Amino acid sequence: EAQVTQNPRYLITVTGKKLTVTCSQNMNHEYMSWYRQDPGLGLRQIYYSMNVEVTDKGDVPEGYKVSRKEKRNFPLILESPSPNQTSLYFCASGWRTGELFFGEGSRLTVL
Amino acid sequence: DQQVKQNSPSLSVQEGRISILNCDYTNSMFDYFLWYKKYPAEGPTFLISISSIKDKNEDGRFTVFLNKSAKHLSLHIVPSQPGDSAVYFCAASPTNTGNQFYFGTGTSLTVIP
Repeated sequence: EAQVTQNPRYLITVTGKKLTVTCSQNMNHEYMSWYRQDPGLGLRQIYYSMNVEVTDKGDVPEGYKVSRKEKRNFPLILESPSPNQTSLYFCASGWRTGELFFGEGSRLTVL
Repeated sequence: DQQVKQNSPSLSVQEGRISILNCDYTNSMFDYFLWYKKYPAEGPTFLISISSIKDKNEDGRFTVFLNKSAKHLSLHIVPSQPGDSAVYFCAASPTNTGNQFYFGTGTSLTVIP
């Protein structure tokens, strides 16, 4: 089954404690991206990757890191989480043109 | 600055009637537009798209209209069904930069049985 898998789905953490949200896709897509969804702001892009070892900033990259060492995986790293990073996060993948396929989301709370 | 705007946060429609969801954009470089549907506790799923070379695209009950001069697109759902109740996001992309999408803030559609 074609899918984008994110883990964890839910996480409560404390300020400053490093965490990683994993994302894996099984569709051999070149393109992967991370979004955050906040009330009244829609989906905002954090980082994206056009291919292995190629990443670039989206609209709201501050406080986040990513890496793309393999085509299927695109983890999102919060080195020192802060409460303003409390949000619903979505990973997505797709071809260079065309629609995106989204994961089910990871709800993160930073206390 | 929000480059894709959905000015109606919510919309209620009777079952069987038409639902019209609107979206405006500001960037004239956008040439590919999509609509996504999102249920609670799930990720967005692709619904329908349109390229700027067209002004209309249909897929079953769903039709997207694009007015490039007005920088406006709309999604029509006819007839609306209770299962269509969800949040709808429009998205736009300048395809010459690759697969980078800008999303609107979403419209929550409720179809009343």
